[in-house]
Formats: sequence, C-alpha cells, structure tokens
Amino acid sequence: DAEITQSPRHKITETGRQVTLACHQTWNHNNMFWYRQDLGHGLRLIHYSYGVQDTNKGEVSDGYSVSRSNTEDLPLTLESAASSQTSVYFCASSEKTGADEKLFFGSGTQLSVL
Amino acid sequence: QKEVEQNSGPLSVPEGAIASLNCTYSDRGSQSFFWYRQYSGKSPELIMFIYSNGDKEDGRFTAQLNKASQYVSLLIRDSQPSDSATYLCAVNWAGFSTLTFGKGTMLLVSP
Repeated sequence: DAEITQSPRHKITETGRQVTLACHQTWNHNNMFWYRQDLGHGLRLIHYSYGVQDTNKGEVSDGYSVSRSNTEDLPLTLESAASSQTSVYFCASSEKTGADEKLFFGSGTQLSVL
Repeated sequence: QKEVEQNSGPLSVPEGAIASLNCTYSDRGSQSFFWYRQYSGKSPELIMFIYSNGDKEDGRFTAQLNKASQYVSLLIRDSQPSDSATYLCAVNWAGFSTLTFGKGTMLLVSP
C-alpha cells in the first residue's frame, strides 16, 4: 500500500545543532507539506512544495528549510535548533491543489531541543 | 489574517448520543472545508469534506456548511467511545493553495 513515512519518530538534540527530519511518500503525490503541532496553536504550516525543485514558505518558516530533489522526498532541516522548535512535526502530501486539497499525514516526529 | 476558530472542549457526550462540533472562519472567500480526526499521539486523518452550503452525510457523520454565517459543523450520530478524539476543522481559501487549521475540539464519549 502507498504510504507516507517520517523518520525518526523521536529525536532529542541540543540547541544550535542542525537537524534534518525525513519524509518519504510512495503515492507519487506532487504536493508535500510540513506542519508543526503545539499545544495552544494547533497545526501550523512550515514549508510546502508543489513539485520537484519547488519550495514555498508557510506561516512559521523562520529557522527551517526544505529541498525537493525528487517526487518522493521532502526533508525538513532546522539550521540551528532552538528550544522553541521543540514540537511534533507532521509531513503531509496531497494530489491536487486548491479546493481539492485533501491532506494525508505521516505518523509524526517528536522533536525535543534541549 | 485567515482564522479558523473552534471551541477547545472537551465536549462530553454519552454513548449513543449525537455529538455536535462547531467551527467558524474569518473570511467569506473560503472555498472548501475539511474535518480531520486526531487520536491522542497519532496523526490527523481526513473524515469529511464539504464545498457547498447545506448538509453532506457519510455514514454516522454529517457535515453542515453555512457560508453566509461562516460556520461549518460536524455531527456524529450514535457516538461511540472510539469516537473520542480531537476533531480539527480546516479551511481552504480561494486563491490560496494550502489549508488553515483550527486548534481542534476534544470529544469524549463515555460508555
């Protein structure tokens, strides 16, 4: 079955370190997204991509970057991890844009920055 | 700024009752509306979407949309303890290609 896989499931890192979270989908979806979820804030969009070599900033993109070199993968990099980036990170993908944007989520990565 | 508002709850209902979850949004230019369910420690999963004013039914779930009032709701009939989860409302606005999520309403269904 097609799926979307995130790794690692849990990550502990130190302030100032560079961290990369992986996201891999086998649906062949063009659109991929990274969200973070925090108590009191809900899901907030970090970055998204509508295809290879396309990346866009979301609502909370400061301190994060993404790259899209193929259809299947959208890794999220924290350039210099900060305690404020402790969160649960969800990757998602979808087939269409606009009104038909039905997202399918990965299982999430719990990141702790100490 | 585009905003999606939900009561955080928890909303407590007995097993077999109808659970009513509500969502309001800030912009009349909204195109489509989605309800996601999220169990504790799990990822959100899509359960319903609605584009047009009125009701849309899928099994025990009914989504209701009133664009004039900027209001969308989710009714769960014959609620089961397995429906206990957080329900997220999401909105897609015309001209934007991404969803904005509300903070979610926690539903607790007691046996």
